[in-house]
Amino acid sequence: AQSVTQPDIHITVSEGASLELRCNYSYGATPYLFWYVQSPGQGLQLLLKYFSGDTLVQGIKGFEAEFKRSQSSFNLRKPSVHWSDAAEYFCAVPGGADGLTFGKGTHLIIQP
Amino acid sequence: EAQVTQNPRYLITVTGKKLTVTCSQNMNHEYMSWYRQDPGLGLRQIYYSMNVEVTDKGDVPEGYKVSRKEKRNFPLILESPSPNQTSLYFCASSLRGDAYYGYTFGSGTRLTVV
Repeated sequence: AQSVTQPDIHITVSEGASLELRCNYSYGATPYLFWYVQSPGQGLQLLLKYFSGDTLVQGIKGFEAEFKRSQSSFNLRKPSVHWSDAAEYFCAVPGGADGLTFGKGTHLIIQP
Repeated sequence: EAQVTQNPRYLITVTGKKLTVTCSQNMNHEYMSWYRQDPGLGLRQIYYSMNVEVTDKGDVPEGYKVSRKEKRNFPLILESPSPNQTSLYFCASSLRGDAYYGYTFGSGTRLTVV
């Protein structure tokens, strides 16, 4: 069955520092992969997606993610975080029942 | 503005009192879905609909009902709510059901059943 693992429940980063959020997937074929962000009190917003082709994907808000088939990973990165990046981040793959299977999320805290 | 609208945003109810959470999208999307979000469990799909009059169970459908009589609306019905249905609920829609276009999510409904 398709699954997604986000190993880090919480991550704390200083404002201006670089960020990497980890995502590992289990999927039978070449996966579609997504990153979503959930700001406090809001719904989920699509940051970026990978379907095929270039393994480095650019998204909104200055985020990027790199697909590495050999490591079954799709890690999210940002060179310099801003206080407004504090949120919950979810990695997702197409799952059962024609929906998306989400990881359990990584809560990002930004220190001043 | 393209959006998914859920109502209400917050709801407190008592065990056994039927309730409906509405969801409406203005993007002419074929696919709509309901998720619940719980601490430590992430998001889990409750029901989904590939198009009008086509609905199917997700991963956690017990205790819920849905209907899709119109393309834009996809209400979630709890016939007899119980405390274990206390959760944050999200409605989502997509142009198609294969996730290619990603999903647009509503702002959520926080339900408390006492």
